[in-house]
Amino acid sequence: AQSVSQHNHHVILSEAASLELGCNYSYGGTVNLFWYVQYPGQHLQLLLKYFSGDPLVKGIKGFEAEFIKSKFSFNLRKPSVQWSDTAEYFCAVIFGGATNKLIFGTGTLLAVQP
Amino acid sequence: DAGVIQSPRHEVTEMGQEVTLRCKPISGHDYLFWYRQTMMRGLELLIYFNNNVPIDDSGMPEDRFSAKMPNASFSTLKIQPSEPRDSAVYFCASSLYRGEQYFGPGTRLTVT
Repeated sequence: AQSVSQHNHHVILSEAASLELGCNYSYGGTVNLFWYVQYPGQHLQLLLKYFSGDPLVKGIKGFEAEFIKSKFSFNLRKPSVQWSDTAEYFCAVIFGGATNKLIFGTGTLLAVQP
Repeated sequence: DAGVIQSPRHEVTEMGQEVTLRCKPISGHDYLFWYRQTMMRGLELLIYFNNNVPIDDSGMPEDRFSAKMPNASFSTLKIQPSEPRDSAVYFCASSLYRGEQYFGPGTRLTVT
C-alpha cells in the first residue's frame, strides 16, 4: 500500500539549532511531494513542493527539502530554527496514476525553545 | 482570492443533532477535499470531489456522514445524528489536478 512515514513524532530544539525532519514514502513511480506546516490553532499551510526538476527545493521561511529518489525520501531542513517555527510539520505525497489524493504522514511536532 | 472559506468556525451541539458544515473552494479549483483532524487519529481524508462529483469517499466513517457538492463553489458535510466521538476539527481544501491543496481555517466541532 502507498504510505508516507515520518519517523520523528516529536522534536525539541533550541533556537539557532539546525533542523532535519525525515519523510519516506513507499512507491517507486512518479510522485508529487509536499511539506505543510500547521501553527498552533491554525490550518495547514504549504511550505514547499516538488514536482520535477532540481531535487533541492526551497520554500518559505528559510525551509528547504531534498528529493532523493533512490532513498524514497523528501527530508525537510532548516539551518537555524526560531521560536516561531514551533508547529506541526506534515509530509504529503500524491502518488503516480490518475489520482489527486494527497497521502499525509502522521506529522512531526516541533518545539523550539528560546 | 479570499482563499477557502468555511463556516461555521465553531459549532457546539448536543448528541443526536444534525450538523452541517459548509465550504467554498477557491474559484477555478476543480478538486475539493474534506478532512477531519483529531489528536488520536491525526489528519484523515473523508471524501474528495472532482468537478462536483465524489471520487473517493472511502474515508467517510459511517452512514451518519454525508457530503454534497451541488455546484463548483459550494460543498457541505453533514453529520446526522451527531455523536461525541465526532468532535474534531474539520478542514476543507481545494486544488487543481495534482497541485498543492489550499486549506480553509477549519470548523471546530464539539458534540456534547
